[in-house]
Amino acid sequence: DAGVTQSPTHLIKTRGQQVTLRCSPISGHKSVSWYQQVLGQGPQFIFQYYEKEERGRGNFPDRFSARQFPNYSSELNVNALLLGDSALYLCASSLLGTSGPDTQYFGPGTRLTVL
Amino acid sequence: GQNIDQPTEMTATEGAIVQINCTYQTSGFNGLFWYQQHAGEAPTFLSYNVLDGLEEKGRFSSFLSRSKGYSYLLLKELQMKDSASYLCAVYTGGFKTIFGAGTRLFVKA
Repeated sequence: DAGVTQSPTHLIKTRGQQVTLRCSPISGHKSVSWYQQVLGQGPQFIFQYYEKEERGRGNFPDRFSARQFPNYSSELNVNALLLGDSALYLCASSLLGTSGPDTQYFGPGTRLTVL
Repeated sequence: GQNIDQPTEMTATEGAIVQINCTYQTSGFNGLFWYQQHAGEAPTFLSYNVLDGLEEKGRFSSFLSRSKGYSYLLLKELQMKDSASYLCAVYTGGFKTIFGAGTRLFVKA
């Protein structure tokens, strides 16, 4: 079975631009979470989506938005890019996305560089 | 507030045993995860603890004490391929998982 896939692998943008990152979960998984990982730090939670609805949101500005599609794939959109948005963006899928803990499986990530 | 503390770096010798500690103070607790992350790669799931005690899985074991806000990951018979970052993460409920900064483990011959 294919794991979590993300595209693109790498991306270079300039300040003020907008970017869209894509994620396809493991087949059968209905929940997708997005994380930002700055070099040398642990992943920081951005969003969790389940059944196309936002279920959780981390401490990120409104420039960050996401959505989930009927096939459970997801997009993360970041507007008005800042230098500080440069990071590895990780997508993780899980089976249920219920209020109880659910093991998350991570994709390879998208490395975003903002110049 | 949410706080998860892990040592920044550790070094151990091939074949030895190493214990990586994690202490947490979070607004909620519904489970603790350990992930392994090799440089430039995505985190991979190692273990999950909900109740107090030790969970053993091959060369890896994880311990949890909820009353002390403390967990550790024990790696036995260290191999060079175990050189990686180890991330402690707490599922706080409300669909949020909080990660620590990670512990970089260097295994030397």
